[in-house]
Amino acid sequence: GAGVSQSPSNKVTEKGKDVELRCDPISGHTALYWYRQSLGQGLEFLIYFQGNSAPDKSGLPSDRFSAERTGGSVSTLTIQRTQQEDSAVYLCASSLGRQWYEQYFGPGTRLTVT
Amino acid sequence: QQQVKQSPQSLIVQKGGISIINCAYENTAFDYFPWYQQFPGKGPALLIAIRPDVSEKKEGRFTISFNKSAKQFSLHIMDSQPGDSATYFCAASITGNTGKLIFGQGTTLQVKP
Repeated sequence: GAGVSQSPSNKVTEKGKDVELRCDPISGHTALYWYRQSLGQGLEFLIYFQGNSAPDKSGLPSDRFSAERTGGSVSTLTIQRTQQEDSAVYLCASSLGRQWYEQYFGPGTRLTVT
Repeated sequence: QQQVKQSPQSLIVQKGGISIINCAYENTAFDYFPWYQQFPGKGPALLIAIRPDVSEKKEGRFTISFNKSAKQFSLHIMDSQPGDSATYFCAASITGNTGKLIFGQGTTLQVKP
């Protein structure tokens, strides 16, 4: 079916505001990942979901960042009290549980904090 | 120890030439090494991947060379085409772990016609 989708594609917010970024994985993919891509940088792992559980949250940069996944499908990444250094492209990827190494990425959400 | 170092940062190649991008790692537990291709405004797409039990893997014009003892691997793009112009990322992961990928910093490739 369709690939990984993310919304919004672009988000501009004021410093201090909260934002929610959404990821719709490929249907049937049990594993879901969030990565962050800062300007001119590689991709930085944030969090991994297997089903609705998040066994690896080691990449979340601060307690302002949180994520959840419901129904083993849609995931939301929430950033509270946004800071300018949060400006980046946030990428979501999904994979079949038994073929976790083949991660399929969405187009990303470009977040700009002014 | 979790880092993957990628070079060069940018690369300009003439059409028909060979593009070579190199990566190095420290963590010997890494056992899966994919390369991703990213076009502007798009998410990365898996291009080719290798495991350390082989020294080379070829898919069409794309070849990964792997040197386990040196902890290095590289991507070769033969007969480079303008359509190959993109950013390339190497990555590494550990089987049986969460599957999270540790990415290199990326190489922006420009193939001149």
